[in-house]
Amino acid sequence: AQSVSQHNHHVILSEAASLELGCNYSYGGTVNLFWYVQYPGQHLQLLLKYFSGDPLVKGIKGFEAEFIKSKFSFNLRKPSVQWSDTAEYFCAVSPGYSSASKIIFGSGTRLSIRP
Amino acid sequence: NAGVTQTPKFQVLKTGQSMTLQCAQDMNHNSMYWYRQDPGMGLRLIYYSASEGTTDKGEVPNGYNVSRLNKREFSLRLESAAPSQTSVYFCASSTQGRAVRDKTYEQYFGPGTRLTVT
Repeated sequence: AQSVSQHNHHVILSEAASLELGCNYSYGGTVNLFWYVQYPGQHLQLLLKYFSGDPLVKGIKGFEAEFIKSKFSFNLRKPSVQWSDTAEYFCAVSPGYSSASKIIFGSGTRLSIRP
Repeated sequence: NAGVTQTPKFQVLKTGQSMTLQCAQDMNHNSMYWYRQDPGMGLRLIYYSASEGTTDKGEVPNGYNVSRLNKREFSLRLESAAPSQTSVYFCASSTQGRAVRDKTYEQYFGPGTRLTVT
């Protein structure tokens, strides 16, 4: 069965620090990959997605993620975080070309930014 | 467009009571989903509906039923609430339907329903 692992449960950084959140998945076939963000008190929003092509994907608000197929990873990065990036971040995966569009989410990483 | 809407926003139930969570989307999406979000466990899929007229179990369906009333609406019912069902429930929708690979099929989420069962 598919699964998604986010190893960091809570990350605390100072403003302007660089960010990398880990995401690994288990699935042998073609995958679609997502990062969602949930700001305090809000619903989930899509940050970026990968379907095919360039493995380095750029999203909103200066975030990017790199798909490394050999490592089954899709880590999220941002060179310089801001206080407004405080949120919970979820990695998600779904099989490509599936007839049903189930997405499996990781358990989330809470990011706290110190001003 | 309102996107995905959910009612109610908050609900407190006693053990054994029943209730229905409502979800509607106005984006003409084929697929709709119900998730529950619990601390440290991320989002877990309860049920989904790949297209109007179909529903399938997700990861944690026990204790829940769903109805895909029409293309817009997808409701989640708790027949006999239990404290273990205390959670935040999110509805989502996406464009992908059966046997169609739509490259824009990310899921759009509603604002959530915070349910407490005492």
